[in-house]
Amino acid sequence: EAGVAQSPRYKIIEKRQSVAFWCNPISGHATLYWYQQILGQGPKLLIQFQNNGVVDDSQLPKDRFSAERLKGVDSTLKIQPAKLEDSAVYLCASSLGATGNTEAFFGQGTRLTVV
Amino acid sequence: DQQVKQNSPSLSVQEGRISILNCDYTNSMFDYFLWYKKYPAEGPTFLISISSIKDKNEDGRFTVFLNKSAKHLSLHIVPSQPGDSAVYFCAASGLFGNEKLTFGTGTRLTIIP
Repeated sequence: EAGVAQSPRYKIIEKRQSVAFWCNPISGHATLYWYQQILGQGPKLLIQFQNNGVVDDSQLPKDRFSAERLKGVDSTLKIQPAKLEDSAVYLCASSLGATGNTEAFFGQGTRLTVV
Repeated sequence: DQQVKQNSPSLSVQEGRISILNCDYTNSMFDYFLWYKKYPAEGPTFLISISSIKDKNEDGRFTVFLNKSAKHLSLHIVPSQPGDSAVYFCAASGLFGNEKLTFGTGTRLTIIP
């Protein structure tokens, strides 16, 4: 079974530039998550999708971050414009989403450096 | 407000001995708890979970204990192996796992050969 695919693996941009990350979840997984992990901290949920609807985006900085999951499969996360404090690893995860089954499977992440 | 806390940033254990990783939480609405393991340059991988209706769950060398009254859980690894060296994250959710995961800050476990 293929895992969660993310691209790119690494990205370096200057502040105020824009950047986009892509995620392809495990086939059949209804729930997709984007997490931000800053160095030395645990992953923090940015947004959670159930199929193509948003379940939770309470911690997404909506003035600069946006995400979409068209057709309930692939997802993209965009930052525009980037700030220095956005430097982090962005993790995509997916889960079946069924009751009592919340084990999320993570991709390798995209390491973003904003200079 | 850190709702899930792992107060030990690092832990070193001799190979073959028991590793005990601890986690505390503050939100009484959490009812499902998970441990994830993370190697460098990889995403976290699911290790073991426990729901609030249990106080122990075992899977091979890994056992998770939950003390609801103390809002504390621990992960025991016996015997510890060099391949267990990684960062371990504790995570919690509500509504039997159908809500978002809240992660702790992680504990870096080093197994000494």
